Amino acid sequence: AQSVTQLGSHVSVSEGALVLLRCNYSSSVPPYLFWYVQYPNQGLQLLLKYTSAATLVKGINGFEAEFKKSETSFHLTKPSAHMSDAAEYFCAVSDYGGYQKVTFGTGTKLQVIP
Amino acid sequence: EAQVTQNPRYLITVTGKKLTVTCSQNMNHEYMSWYRQDPGLGLRQIYYSMNVEVTDKGDVPEGYKVSRKEKRNFPLILESPSPNQTSLYFCASSSPQGSAPYYGYTFGSGTRLTVV
Repeated sequence: AQSVTQLGSHVSVSEGALVLLRCNYSSSVPPYLFWYVQYPNQGLQLLLKYTSAATLVKGINGFEAEFKKSETSFHLTKPSAHMSDAAEYFCAVSDYGGYQKVTFGTGTKLQVIP
Repeated sequence: EAQVTQNPRYLITVTGKKLTVTCSQNMNHEYMSWYRQDPGLGLRQIYYSMNVEVTDKGDVPEGYKVSRKEKRNFPLILESPSPNQTSLYFCASSSPQGSAPYYGYTFGSGTRLTVV
């Protein structure tokens, strides 16, 4: 069974500050892990994915995430927040390559304060 | 442009009146999936399909039907909608890892369904 826990349904940061969105996963096999972003009134867009090739994964828009097996975590970070980063972010896990049963977390809304 | 197209974007219907939400993708993806999004619950998978005529239940399949007669289309059918199916629905498609390119799921823009 696979599951994802996102800590914090709402996160606020100042513009230019570090963004840290937390995700912990549970999986019975080596997982495939994803971060998606959802802007208002839009579908989800893939930010980055972990598929065991490298533990530090770089995505679009300056985001990156680090896979830590010992902590079962896949936290999303960005060194300097921009106003355009305000959105909802979803962590997701799949035991099957990311294209069959994909389980999403409940999401974290990021607010960026000017 | 590579995309997943859902129709309609908005739909208000009455309890018990059968409806279909269409989904079409132009990327020749094998895998397609339906999700519903509810506040505080994130996205929950309704059904997914690994190829034509191959479908399986996700986490919340009750009250929904799907079919995959063609590779590009994956309609979601609500035979007898009820108010608890009021939600935002997303269709998504993907290709298996190993065949290029693989970018995870591509999502449609969503269908906001209200059942009164």
